[in-house]
Amino acid sequence: AQTVTQSQPEMSVQEAETVTLSCTYDTSESDYYLFWYKQPPSRQMILVIRQEAYKQQNATENRFSVNFQKAAKSFSLKISDSQLGDAAMYFCAYRSPYSGGSNYKLTFGKGTLLTVNP
Amino acid sequence: NAGVTQTPKFQVLKTGQSMTLQCAQDMNHEYMSWYRQDPGMGLRLIHYSVGAGITDQGEVPNGYNVSRSTTEDFPLRLLSAAPSQTSVYFCASSTPWQGYYGYTFGSGTRLTVV
Repeated sequence: AQTVTQSQPEMSVQEAETVTLSCTYDTSESDYYLFWYKQPPSRQMILVIRQEAYKQQNATENRFSVNFQKAAKSFSLKISDSQLGDAAMYFCAYRSPYSGGSNYKLTFGKGTLLTVNP
Repeated sequence: NAGVTQTPKFQVLKTGQSMTLQCAQDMNHEYMSWYRQDPGMGLRLIHYSVGAGITDQGEVPNGYNVSRSTTEDFPLRLLSAAPSQTSVYFCASSTPWQGYYGYTFGSGTRLTVV
């Protein structure tokens, strides 16, 4: 079974600075999908960025980018030019690409609460 | 663009009461699932379904029941509520062969059992 570990329960960053959230995972599969979800106080789960394991190029979405290290099974999220609206709980998640009911699930880490200080 | 609709958004139950959390999606997604979110625990899978008439258990299924009579709807039933079921519940759906796109989540239900 896959596991996802987020070792930082809480992080803080000054507005306009850069912060990196850590995520490691354990799997025996060679291909998979990785995601970062943002959960603001509204409780809505918002997809921030995604990565396919077979793609070596790190995904980027505006101020959000990932550092995907497949051999180390690491998938960190970098937020550049942090804004007050980035304050939220961030979840790292894993999904198998294979068919079969149990393979379709998302496996989540426990989350990192990000505070942005003005 | 309704996406995934969950009702109610908030609910308070007394121990022993039963209730149904509703989930509906309009994207023709085959895969639907229920998660619960507890502080420090992330999101944990309760039950899932890969299509109408097909359901299966996730990590934490005890005390919950599901059914899937249509592609659109996937209700979660609490048979006899317990304080340990106080949590935030999310319904999520996806198309299995588009795993790269992740899930679409509902807005969640905050349930308190007293």
